[in-house]
Amino acid sequence: AQSVSQHNHHVILSEAASLELGCNYSYGGTVNLFWYVQYPGQHLQLLLKYFSGDPLVKGIKGFEAEFIKSKFSFNLRKPSVQWSDTAEYFCAPLDTGRRALTFGSGTRLQVQP
Amino acid sequence: GAVVSQHPSWVICKSGTSVKIECRSLDFQATTMFWYRQFPKQSLMLMATSNEGSKATYEQGVEKDKFLINHASLTLSTLTVTSAHPEDSSFYICSARTTSGRRDTQYFGPGTRLTVL
Repeated sequence: AQSVSQHNHHVILSEAASLELGCNYSYGGTVNLFWYVQYPGQHLQLLLKYFSGDPLVKGIKGFEAEFIKSKFSFNLRKPSVQWSDTAEYFCAPLDTGRRALTFGSGTRLQVQP
Repeated sequence: GAVVSQHPSWVICKSGTSVKIECRSLDFQATTMFWYRQFPKQSLMLMATSNEGSKATYEQGVEKDKFLINHASLTLSTLTVTSAHPEDSSFYICSARTTSGRRDTQYFGPGTRLTVL
């Protein structure tokens, strides 16, 4: 079964700081990877996804993630965060057998103005 | 596009009653929908996979007789919490899977907060 680990549970940054959130997954086969964001009081929104091809994927709102197969990682990055990026971020690999997502524990990002 | 709605957004019920939650894909057809449960400040836990026209597939530890799932059409799945108890109080979230032009991607509904008194 697929498992996923998000190492940073709570991150506090100042505006304009750079962000990197770690995500490691366990599955060694074909993997589809997603990052979702949940703003306070809102529902989950898709940030970006990786299926194949260029391992550096760009998403909405200036976010990007890099798939490193050798490290089983799919870290999320943003060069300069804004206060509006305050949210919960979830990494979710797709179990290609069941076609179901496995969610990481989430990282709460707090950006201070 | 790719909008998923849930109804109701919140519900309060007495212990022992049943509650039905609807999940609709508004602008696409979804042969597969998923039901998740999210506890406060925790991640989403997959409860079951809802397949249009067939029985749902439940995750280990999820009681299928308690959480009835019906996926009657390509745009609607319902979750009925039967004989609800306070421990069933949670945030229930559905997602709808699309593979049409968007690869295999799930779009999430806004969730339903259930409080059982």
